[in-house]
Amino acid sequence: DAGITQSPRHKVTETGTPVTLRCHQTENHRYMYWYRQDPGHGLRLIHYSYGVKDTDKGEVSDGYSVSRSKTEDFLLTLESATSSQTSVYFCAISKTQEGGELFFGEGSRLTVL
Amino acid sequence: GENVEQHPSTLSVQEGDSAVIKCTYSDSASNYFPWYKQELGKGPQLIIDIRSNVGEKKDQRIAVTLNKTAKHFSLHITETQPEDSAVYFCAASTSSNTGKLIFGQGTTLQVKP
Repeated sequence: DAGITQSPRHKVTETGTPVTLRCHQTENHRYMYWYRQDPGHGLRLIHYSYGVKDTDKGEVSDGYSVSRSKTEDFLLTLESATSSQTSVYFCAISKTQEGGELFFGEGSRLTVL
Repeated sequence: GENVEQHPSTLSVQEGDSAVIKCTYSDSASNYFPWYKQELGKGPQLIIDIRSNVGEKKDQRIAVTLNKTAKHFSLHITETQPEDSAVYFCAASTSSNTGKLIFGQGTTLQVKP
């Protein structure tokens, strides 16, 4: 299994509070991604990173920010959580830029009350 | 924008029967089409992929076909087994050359013993 660790795995929080999810990899892969998974929507890309301090927006980036200060860590922050951000969040990593396998973490289940 | 449509959303078959899942994509520049399997409580894992210069690819009981003209691709599972029960996602690469994938909505496959 690819060395990807997501934390926390489960979190319950209240509307308006900040939340940070962490993705840590031991594979030294350049590309990292944050997806959210919701019933009927599959996996939707939130943000991605193509190197340290290099990030860009995905399909559903509103309300989220990311940071990557080290190759191995990619943080996803919800500045002020809303109920619509209740979801399962997956981090993924990739070695190559185009047409390469994504390796996914185990997911972080976030509930915003 | 770029879009991937996946059908059916649920599929139930008897053990030993075949299962087919179909996807269509909108971006004519897409050139990489992976399929992921997600078991309960886990992250998705790549099971097979195909590139645009190939029309069909097979790996034991699973095969993928691609019709670039019609912009659709399909996953075929033969001689299904109970352990094939899972959620399956198709995906297509984007034209932005960043390794990003657009995923379909997912198909829940149930194989009845």
